[in-house]
Amino acid sequence: QKEVEQNSGPLSVPEGAIASLNCTYSDRGSQSFFWYRQYSGKSPELIMFIYSNGDKEDGRFTAQLNKASQYVSLLIRDSQPSDSATYLCARGGADGLTFGKGTHLIIQP
Amino acid sequence: GAGVSQTPSNKVTEKGKYVELRCDPISGHTALYWYRQSLGQGPEFLIYFQGTGAADDSGLPNDRFFAVRPEGSVSTLKIQRTERGDSAVYLCASRGGGAEADTGELFFGEGSRLTVL
Repeated sequence: QKEVEQNSGPLSVPEGAIASLNCTYSDRGSQSFFWYRQYSGKSPELIMFIYSNGDKEDGRFTAQLNKASQYVSLLIRDSQPSDSATYLCARGGADGLTFGKGTHLIIQP
Repeated sequence: GAGVSQTPSNKVTEKGKYVELRCDPISGHTALYWYRQSLGQGPEFLIYFQGTGAADDSGLPNDRFFAVRPEGSVSTLKIQRTERGDSAVYLCASRGGGAEADTGELFFGEGSRLTVL
């Protein structure tokens, strides 16, 4: 079992709708979680991080963490074509981040 | 510098050759990481430096891979006797300095794309 699991997709969402990206992790002791966005041929860039159970909102993005279920999600409201990218979920640790394989999101105009 | 800088951005080499990839982290960042990313995969951890020393090199796939950071700033990833399976994007990242500033976020460079023919 991989430490961080994501559905690779592609996930296709119409423009203006809510995109929901999901991630599960195996290490119950994990404390911090990160969502990175990666455009094709580019490096990952941070969208949000979350440490506490519940929701964290930043503009059109909401991260959700449920430690009991070992589940992290990212919601993107009012999806735009520019949101089309691969979204990487990662868990933090003393030696850096462990990434999932990423979910390829396509926003259809 | 303003961001993490990696050179070369692209490297094409022949099987069996030696390759060096360079990373210049954000000024003041003491932690430096090397990851490898293959097509359709997430970044895979290789090695982590805290200052000049390798704090964790458990991700290096074999003894053909080696990395150094002699002065605690610039790092070089060295690959000996390259194989076609080494072809990937090699990403370097650095992490914020003091405890207050450190959210755990890694700041990535643009990567070095290595192609082994």
